[in-house]
Amino acid sequence: AQTVTQSQPEMSVQEAETVTLSCTYDTSESDYYLFWYKQPPSRQMILVIRQEAYKQQNATENRFSVNFQKAAKSFSLKISDSQLGDAAMYFCAYRSQAGKSTFGDGTTLTVKP
Amino acid sequence: GAVVSQHPSWVICKSGTSVKIECRSLDFQATTMFWYRQFPKQSLMLMATSNEGSKATYEQGVEKDKFLINHASLTLSTLTVTSAHPEDSSFYICSPDGELLNNEQFFGPGTRLTVL
Repeated sequence: AQTVTQSQPEMSVQEAETVTLSCTYDTSESDYYLFWYKQPPSRQMILVIRQEAYKQQNATENRFSVNFQKAAKSFSLKISDSQLGDAAMYFCAYRSQAGKSTFGDGTTLTVKP
Repeated sequence: GAVVSQHPSWVICKSGTSVKIECRSLDFQATTMFWYRQFPKQSLMLMATSNEGSKATYEQGVEKDKFLINHASLTLSTLTVTSAHPEDSSFYICSPDGELLNNEQFFGPGTRLTVL
């Protein structure tokens, strides 16, 4: 079974600064998908960024980028120029080819003005 | 992205009653439905997976007779919490899946259940 570990229960960043959220996973599969989701107080899950395991290039979406290290099974999220609206709980997720997802325990991000 | 609705968004019920939660995929056909439960400040835990027209597959530790899942059509799935107790109070999230979603997962807005 796959496992996803987020070792930072809480993180804090100053507005306009950069923060990196960590995620490691364990799997024996070679093809899979990795995601970062944001869950604001409304609790609606919002996709932040996705990475296909077969792609070597790190995904980027505007201020969000990942550092995907397949051999190390690491998938960290970097948020640049942090904004107050980025404050939320962030979940790292592993999705197998079969479609089943495993989520990390989440990291609560606080953005200080 | 795909549009998913859940109803109700919140519900309060008395212990011993049953509650039905509906999940609809509004602009795509959901051949598979994932149901999750999330306790406050915790992660999403998969409860069960259902395929349209088939019986659901439950994760270990999830009582299939307590959490009844119906996935009778490609746009609607329901989760019924039978004889609810306070420990069933949680946030329930559905996630429909279909062939054209490009392996991206979409989620319903969730249902907050409080059992008194």
